[in-house]
Amino acid sequence: DQQVKQNSPSLSVQEGRISILNCDYTNSMFDYFLWYKKYPAEGPTFLISISSIKDKNEDGRFTVFLNKSAKHLSLHIVPSQPGDSAVYFCAASWGAQKLVFGQGTRLTINP
Amino acid sequence: KAGVTQTPRYLIKTRGQQVTLSCSPISGHRSVSWYQQTPGQGLQFLFEYFSETQRNKGNFPGRFSGRQFSNSRSEMNVSTLELGDSALYLCASSLDALLGARGNTIYFGEGSWLTVV
Repeated sequence: DQQVKQNSPSLSVQEGRISILNCDYTNSMFDYFLWYKKYPAEGPTFLISISSIKDKNEDGRFTVFLNKSAKHLSLHIVPSQPGDSAVYFCAASWGAQKLVFGQGTRLTINP
Repeated sequence: KAGVTQTPRYLIKTRGQQVTLSCSPISGHRSVSWYQQTPGQGLQFLFEYFSETQRNKGNFPGRFSGRQFSNSRSEMNVSTLELGDSALYLCASSLDALLGARGNTIYFGEGSWLTVV
């Protein structure tokens, strides 16, 4: 039972354009959502998070949007840069429980 | 400060064998969790230890086990290896709770690549 789903295994975006990565979840108990970025041969690194009491959180070029009614969150990267090419994982949690990760989306930024 | 260290980085084992992977968390971090990453499955939670006690466990068979020592270092063991156990095993540490939120952030190691042949 995949509680957190990233339905797009890959995404290709032109440099300078907006990258939008999507994530859906099924568990309405989730109250915190996070995005991690992973380069090959490295562990995932924390990127940005959002609490369920908010619908938007911004950090520089990265913005996460949360639509609780649709159980959907998205990560926007503007403008996209070649260094953003990586695998992006969304994750969710509730209480002091474990993080549940999605399958990941491989983002490729083309020059 | 030193990051999360995992050893070995790469290993090849034969079906039926067992393997032990090691993780040294960031100094001062007491929570260590383990994840399995396979293509198409993303990061799947194995278990989490805090102060030598397993606090959370994922949906993996009993062949997967772990422990944490008094210095917070952790090991995970997989017995009777199967081909499907081939994966990247990631360790993550955090100050306290497993969450990457509420003031805590979890930090991942580079992982141990296990290939079962």
